[in-house]
Amino acid sequence: QKEVEQNSGPLSVPEGAIASLNCTYSDRGSQSFFWYRQYSGKSPELIMSIYSNGDKEDGRFTAQLNKASQYVSLLIRDSQPSDSATYLCAAENYGGSQGNLIFGKGTKLSVKP
Amino acid sequence: GAVVSQHPSWVICKSGTSVKIECRSLDFQATTMFWYRQFPKQSLMLMATSNEGSKATYEQGVEKDKFLINHASLTLSTLTVTSAHPEDSSFYICSASPGVGLGAQYFGPGTRLLVL
Repeated sequence: QKEVEQNSGPLSVPEGAIASLNCTYSDRGSQSFFWYRQYSGKSPELIMSIYSNGDKEDGRFTAQLNKASQYVSLLIRDSQPSDSATYLCAAENYGGSQGNLIFGKGTKLSVKP
Repeated sequence: GAVVSQHPSWVICKSGTSVKIECRSLDFQATTMFWYRQFPKQSLMLMATSNEGSKATYEQGVEKDKFLINHASLTLSTLTVTSAHPEDSSFYICSASPGVGLGAQYFGPGTRLLVL
């Protein structure tokens, strides 16, 4: 069964620190990977996508992909209390419908002021 | 861009009634839409995948006769919870994926259902 694994946390970091979130995926056919942020009581929001090995930066966020190791990570620099949320890692379900993703269970991040 | 709306945002109903939830992609055409359910402090659970003009594909354990899905156009999908019971109370979230690009899903704001 195809899976995306994440540490459930909670991951606690002080304000201004770098938060590092990691996930691994089982389907070697997956080519597209996504990070979503979900605030408590809200629906998930897409924050990053990555398709090629290496790093992709967008503001304070950097996504990293290593297909050989089947590993995806998200770094949040200068963490703010407003970054406190659950972060969901998702991998393309290769062979599924367009947009069919396999989600991890999420890592809860807490940024302490 | 990539905005998905859901209506209603919350609904309270009596046990035994049916509830319809609408999901619309506002600024793109969605060849595929997804319906999720999320219980408090739990992870997303995919209920079904629907493609415009065809029958939905339900995940194992999801009753297709209870959760009716219609994907009538490239911008609208509906989920009807038939004969709702208290155990159906949950946060229902739809998402949509454009027909082009590399497959992101864009989520609606969700619908909170409380069945009394």
